[in-house]
Amino acid sequence: EVQLVESGGGLVQPGRSLRLSCTASGFTFGDYAMSWVRQAPGKGLEWVGFIRSKAYGGTTEYAASVKGRFTISRDDSKSIAYLQMNSLKTEDTAVYYCTRLSRGHDAFDIWGQGTMVTVSS
Amino acid sequence: DIQMTQSPSSLSASVGDRVTITCRASQSISSYLNWYQQKPGKAPKLLIYAASSLQSGVPSRFSGSGSGTDFTLTISSLQPEDFATYYCQQSYSTPGFGQGTRLEIK
Repeated sequence: EVQLVESGGGLVQPGRSLRLSCTASGFTFGDYAMSWVRQAPGKGLEWVGFIRSKAYGGTTEYAASVKGRFTISRDDSKSIAYLQMNSLKTEDTAVYYCTRLSRGHDAFDIWGQGTMVTVSS
Repeated sequence: DIQMTQSPSSLSASVGDRVTITCRASQSISSYLNWYQQKPGKAPKLLIYAASSLQSGVPSRFSGSGSGTDFTLTISSLQPEDFATYYCQQSYSTPGFGQGTRLEIK
């Protein structure tokens, strides 16, 4: 079964850091770009960033709202994608979803269950 | 950035109704448009990709059309499990979502 499982969420104070993990199974992880999408409580979906597969350079892109603070990385040997979040702000409070980008169409075709991040003092 | 605007923001309909949701891009995105369904407390689910291609396992009552800047998602005959929030998303450039359309039971 194709599956993504996020972990690492929790309560963190403003200005602190947190790292989320996304463990993949059921597909060849290294062949796909991976992305993070978040959803603040009661709000819509917001793309956070993505990391391309190694075949496409493994490069990253980020939303303006997180650029310079968040970093996405991947460990293809472990089938894990990471989201390192630094200098967290209260407005980063959201459910964070790990997603797979489909090849050829760049749609988010597989989603994890999400992990909640609450930034509060 | 490309802005995505959905209409309506909310919609009330009955089981069996035909429903159409529209999505407009601020510039041409060719057919790089995807649709998702999200139920409360759950992750979104891909329904339609590349404007009109049905994702595997999605019922055929869902269909998508459009290209350029104007797109539609149509549900031909609403079923009880279809009441949810729907999002469009462009994949022409750095990804962006519409604000969502909440489909409620009349």
